[in-house]
Amino acid sequence: EAGVVQSPRYKIIEKKQPVAFWCNPISGHNTLYWYRQNLGQGPELLIRYENEEAVDDSQLPKDRFSAERLKGVDSTLKIQPAELGDSAVYLCASSSRLQSYEQYFGPGTRLTVT
Amino acid sequence: RKEVEQDPGPFNVPEGATVAFNCTYSNSASQSFFWYRQDCRKEPKLLMSVYSSGNEDGRFTAQLNRASQYISLLIRDSKLSDSATYLCVVNTNAGKSTFGDGTTLTVKP
Repeated sequence: EAGVVQSPRYKIIEKKQPVAFWCNPISGHNTLYWYRQNLGQGPELLIRYENEEAVDDSQLPKDRFSAERLKGVDSTLKIQPAELGDSAVYLCASSSRLQSYEQYFGPGTRLTVT
Repeated sequence: RKEVEQDPGPFNVPEGATVAFNCTYSNSASQSFFWYRQDCRKEPKLLMSVYSSGNEDGRFTAQLNRASQYISLLIRDSKLSDSATYLCVVNTNAGKSTFGDGTTLTVKP
C-alpha cells in the first residue's frame, strides 16, 4: 500500500514569494492533516480535514496561509506571501477513524525562505 | 503551559540500559494516546498506541495513567538503533491531535 505522498520535498524561495505544497493521503483515509514543524519542536497542527471539510483550522494563519481539499482526497497548502519565519518542515498526515486516528506521515516539504 | 509536555532530554544511555520517558497532558477530554518515533530529518512514524490497560511490543512498554494524566514509554535493553526523538501524541474524541515537543534519546556503545 502506498504511503502519504508529498511534493516538493525541498523548496527555497525569497520572502514575499508564493509557495504551494501538495499532499496525497493513504487511500481510504478520510482525515488529512497539515502540520508545521520547527527544529527542536513537535509538529504543530495547521489544519485538519474530514473529507473535504476543514474541521479545525484554528492554528492556520489565515492572512497568508490557505488550504483546500476539493474532492476529499489530495490537498494543497499555500503560503502567499512567504515570510522568513515560515521556514520549517511542512508535514502532511492522514488517518482513519476506523483506526483510532493513528496518523501516517508523508516525508514532508522542507521550506527555506531567504 | 503547553497541552502536552515532555522532558526534552537529551537522554544519553549505554547499550543495554533501560530508559523511561514520561509525557503529561492537560486536556481531561483526551481519549487516545500514541508514541511516535522521529529520526533526524525524517517524518514521525507511529511506534505504538497506548491503551488503558498498558501494552507491550517487544522491548517497548507503554502505560497510561488517566488519573494523573500522563503516559509513559519504557525501552528495555536499548539498542544503538533506538537513538531518535520520541514524540507523544494526545487525541481528543473529536480527533484533535496535539504533539509534545519530543524527548531525544542517544544510545551509546
